[in-house]
Amino acid sequence: QVQLVQSAAEVKKPGASVKVSCEASGYPFISYGISWVRQAPGQGLEWMGWISGYHGNTQYAKRLQGRVTMTTDTSTSTAYLELRGLRSDDTAVYYCGRYESGLVDFWGQGTLVTVSS
Amino acid sequence: EIVLTQSPGTLSLSPGERATLSCRASQTISSTYLAWYQQKPGQAPRLLIYAASTRATGIPDRFSGSGSGTDFTLTISRLEPEDFAVYYCQHFGNSPTFGPGTKVDIK
Repeated sequence: QVQLVQSAAEVKKPGASVKVSCEASGYPFISYGISWVRQAPGQGLEWMGWISGYHGNTQYAKRLQGRVTMTTDTSTSTAYLELRGLRSDDTAVYYCGRYESGLVDFWGQGTLVTVSS
Repeated sequence: EIVLTQSPGTLSLSPGERATLSCRASQTISSTYLAWYQQKPGQAPRLLIYAASTRATGIPDRFSGSGSGTDFTLTISRLEPEDFAVYYCQHFGNSPTFGPGTKVDIK
C-alpha cells in the first residue's frame, strides 16, 4: 500500500534552516510528484509547491520563492523540503503528499517544525 | 491568483442531518481543477472529491460534489459521527490554493 513516512519533529532558531524528509513506498516513485503543504497551528492549509519524481522539475508558491528548495533522491524514493531563513510564522506542521495533476491523494503523517528563540 | 472563499465558517449539525458546504472562487475556474479534502484533528487531510464531482477511491456515496464557474458545493447527505471535521476546497490550477475551510461540528 502507498505510504509516505516523514522525518521527526524539529525545533529551530529564527534564521536557521530546516530540512524535512518524506520516504515513499508502495508505488513507483518516479511516476508521481511530491507536493508539500503546511499548516500553522489552528490555521488552514497552505500549498508550498511540488516536485516531479521523474524530472525533478519544481514549482514553488510565489510567497516562498527564494527560501524553499525541494529535491528528491530516486535511489531511496525520498523527497526533501528545505526551508531557509526561518521565522516564527514558519512554525507549522509540514505535510508531504503524492501528487498527480494537481491532486494530493496520499499524505504523510506530518512533521512539526517549531521556530523559537 | 485565484482566491477561494468557503461558507459558512462553522456548521453545527446533528448526526443524520444533511450538510451543505459552499466554495466560491474569485474568478471562473474549470471544474476539472476543483477538489475537496476532509481533515480531522491531528490527522493529515484526505482527498474526498476531485473534478468538482468525482469521489476519490473509497469515499462513501453520502459525499457528493457539484458546481461550476465560481460556485461549488460539497454535500454530505446524512452525517455520520466520523464526518465531523474540517473541509477544505482546493483549486489546483497553475498556482494551487486552498480555501480557509468549513468546520462541521456536532450540534
